[in-house]
Amino acid sequence: DAGVIQSPRHEVTEMGQEVTLRCKPISGHNSLFWYRQTMMRGLELLIYFNNNVPIDDSGMPEDRFSAKMPNASFSTLKIQPSEPRDSAVYFCASSPLGGETQYFGPGTRLLVL
Amino acid sequence: DAKTTQPPSMDCAEGRAANLPCNHSTISGNEYVYWYRQIHSQGPQYIIHGLKNNETNEMASLIITEDRKSSTLILPHATLRDTAVYYCIVRAGNTGKLIFGQGTTLQVKP
Repeated sequence: DAGVIQSPRHEVTEMGQEVTLRCKPISGHNSLFWYRQTMMRGLELLIYFNNNVPIDDSGMPEDRFSAKMPNASFSTLKIQPSEPRDSAVYFCASSPLGGETQYFGPGTRLLVL
Repeated sequence: DAKTTQPPSMDCAEGRAANLPCNHSTISGNEYVYWYRQIHSQGPQYIIHGLKNNETNEMASLIITEDRKSSTLILPHATLRDTAVYYCIVRAGNTGKLIFGQGTTLQVKP
């Protein structure tokens, strides 16, 4: 089992550029979660999907952030335009629907200069 | 979801049991106690969860007090690889959301 796959693993970009983070959940998992981790704010839930439908996006910081899940095996988190304060590690996690355990990917380390 | 309180850091000698406490005095009847850990630079990893009974798996044991206001995660024989941040999370059974606090940084020392 490959686990949750995230790409890229590292991203360095300049302020104002568009950034797209990608996630492939574990096959058969119907829930997908996007988290952000910074030293100041810790690990925060941004948004989660059940059966490709966004259920709770209350953690999305502002309109510059958007997330999509076009099918059960792929999700994107987009930041447009990016700002230095968006620098963080972004984690994707998946679980069976209503499942007790979330499985996290290795994260994408984003640095916005 | 109920709030949890954990000590910011703890030390443990290698080979000894590590006992990590968590207070969750406002927990509701349908809320479970979950434990995750995050080893440096990796994604969080599920350890164990419970509602009101004590639980044990291959990684750890979870002891929940009778009033459910606190719990303890026990790593029976800590190794250096158990050095990590341990998160205690209270979650309602019908929601997927995990709200992470600051956790406890456990340092296992030789």
